Amino acid sequence: KAGVTQTPRYLIKTRGQQVTLSCSPISGHRSVSWYQQTPGQGLQFLFEYFSETQRNKGNFPGRFSGRQFSNSRSEMNVSTLELGDSALYLCASSLAGRGSNQPQHFGDGTRLSIL
Amino acid sequence: KNEVEQSPQNLTAQEGEFITINCSYSVGISALHWLQQHPGGGIVSLFMLSSGKKKHGRLIATINIQEKHSSLHITASHPRDSAVYICAVTPSTNKLIFGTGTLLAVQP
Repeated sequence: KAGVTQTPRYLIKTRGQQVTLSCSPISGHRSVSWYQQTPGQGLQFLFEYFSETQRNKGNFPGRFSGRQFSNSRSEMNVSTLELGDSALYLCASSLAGRGSNQPQHFGDGTRLSIL
Repeated sequence: KNEVEQSPQNLTAQEGEFITINCSYSVGISALHWLQQHPGGGIVSLFMLSSGKKKHGRLIATINIQEKHSSLHITASHPRDSAVYICAVTPSTNKLIFGTGTLLAVQP
């Protein structure tokens, strides 16, 4: 069974640009969560999607958005990039139901660098 | 004060030693997770527990809901156990709140 796949693995952008990251969950998993990891703030929850609906959201500005498609694949978008958005962005999937009460399976992440 | 506190932040052990990492939290939770992160970023879920104790190989995780405390134990530690161990809790609102992690180095 294929694991969680995130693309791209590495990305370099400049301030003011926007970026879209992709996450393909494990087959059969309908919950997809996104996290940001930085040296200063550690791991922080961005949002969770389940059946194409955002079910929960962390404390991030509106520049951070996401969506989920009918096949459970998810994308997150960051607009008007700032230097502080440089981070490792991780996606995790879990089985249907109360997503956060199921073991989460993480992808390898997308490392985003803002110049 | 962070809602999830881990100790110690850094830990160096000799191969074969018994290791304990502690996690305390201040919010109500429905589950607690122990995660392992190796250099390069990949995260592996080790345990998800809401009560009692779980064991997988040389790893043991316990939780005391009344005391809001969990421990991760590694028996007969090995250099390949070197990684960052992260405690995370699930409040009832369906999201993970993470501790700052414990960097473990096991020396041969």
